[in-house]
Amino acid sequence: KQEVTQIPAALSVPEGENLVLNCSFTDSAIYNLQWFRQDPGKGLTSLLLIQSSQREQTSGRLNASLDKSSGRSTLYIAASQPGDSATYLCAVGAGSYQLTFGKGTKLSVIP
Amino acid sequence: SQTIHQWPATLVQPVGSPLSLECTVEGTSNPNLYWYRQAAGRGLQLLFYSVGIGQISSEVPQNLSASRPQDRQFILSSKKLLLSDSGFYLCAWTYGSGAGETQYFGPGTRLLVL
Repeated sequence: KQEVTQIPAALSVPEGENLVLNCSFTDSAIYNLQWFRQDPGKGLTSLLLIQSSQREQTSGRLNASLDKSSGRSTLYIAASQPGDSATYLCAVGAGSYQLTFGKGTKLSVIP
Repeated sequence: SQTIHQWPATLVQPVGSPLSLECTVEGTSNPNLYWYRQAAGRGLQLLFYSVGIGQISSEVPQNLSASRPQDRQFILSSKKLLLSDSGFYLCAWTYGSGAGETQYFGPGTRLLVL
């Protein structure tokens, strides 16, 4: 059974700092890995999707990497802003339809 | 562009009452549809998914059921709610086969069972 772990559970950083969020998974037989953002009381917004054949994806200040063999992914956020404050969720696609989610990292960017 | 709607946004129901949550997708056809539950302190759990009208797959045993009466409509139901059914329910959709595709989520329904 696939298990996804995100560490730390919460992170607080000053505005402008670069930061890294971590995600690990137990079964390397995956289709893809996705990073989502969730604001309080809201649905999820897809940030980046990395296919199993890819090593990284970039969108603006965000860069996600994938190391399938070690079962790890990182989400790098450059020059953090208060608007980046949210919970970031990692999800692994393994099997035709199912995503397995981590519990998320709650990020607070302090002005 | 595609949009996904869920209603109601918030619901407070007594134990033992019935439940009906609705999800609709606009701007696409034949999507794969998903129901997730997010409980406090726990990750998102896939409850049901559907690849077409009338086709429902259940991921976990529970007192909930799902139906897909139309191509872009997905309904989550219960005949008798339990306290443990409280949580944040999210509907999502993908294109095509679903494998390797981005999932797009709706705004969610917060359910409190008292």
